[in-house]
Amino acid sequence: GENVEQHPSTLSVQEGDSAVIKCTYSDSASNYFPWYKQELGKRPQLIIDIRSNVGEKKDQRIAVTLNKTAKHFSLHITETQPEDSAVYFCAASYYGNNRLAFGKGNQVVVIP
Amino acid sequence: NAGVTQTPKFRVLKTGQSMTLLCAQDMNHEYMYWYRQDPGMGLRLIHYSVGEGTTAKGEVPDGYNVSRLKKQNFLLGLESAAPSQTSVYFCASSPSGGRSPYEQYFGPGTRLTVT
Repeated sequence: GENVEQHPSTLSVQEGDSAVIKCTYSDSASNYFPWYKQELGKRPQLIIDIRSNVGEKKDQRIAVTLNKTAKHFSLHITETQPEDSAVYFCAASYYGNNRLAFGKGNQVVVIP
Repeated sequence: NAGVTQTPKFRVLKTGQSMTLLCAQDMNHEYMYWYRQDPGMGLRLIHYSVGEGTTAKGEVPDGYNVSRLKKQNFLLGLESAAPSQTSVYFCASSPSGGRSPYEQYFGPGTRLTVT
């Protein structure tokens, strides 16, 4: 089955700086890659996703890039703010599969 | 819409006791999932359902059973609770097809402690 790994496990950034989280996946058939954000004590929520027919997708301060050849995708957060402090989970799946394979999560801490 | 709801929010069990966690969704989603979340382990799939009356095993199904008698409800049962089942349990639902067929909507979670 699909195996998704996230690096680094914890990331501390100064407010205003950028944060980048990278995930690797194992199954070359995967073509859907979402990112979920989980604030402390809250439920995970989808913040952005990308499909394998595009290499990059942006939504305001967040962006996701995908490199299918290397089998990795990354979340980029620019101009970080304290409310960006959370655990971020990447996941992977493929069309026709109704399951997501989640990574173990990255803790992002934005230092004011 | 309430979205995905879970009951109870918290529960403490003694080893060997049984309980049922209820998940309900009002979005008419076909797919429903049960995950457990432990520190440093991410979200691990316990069981899932692709429609009313269907269930399937996920990554960590041992010690749990599920039922989906109605489309809007997905029940997770622990027949004989063990301390290793202490965790936060999340239910999620997902539509089938559409622009984002795989977006999963999560419930608020149930924190279960087994002593």
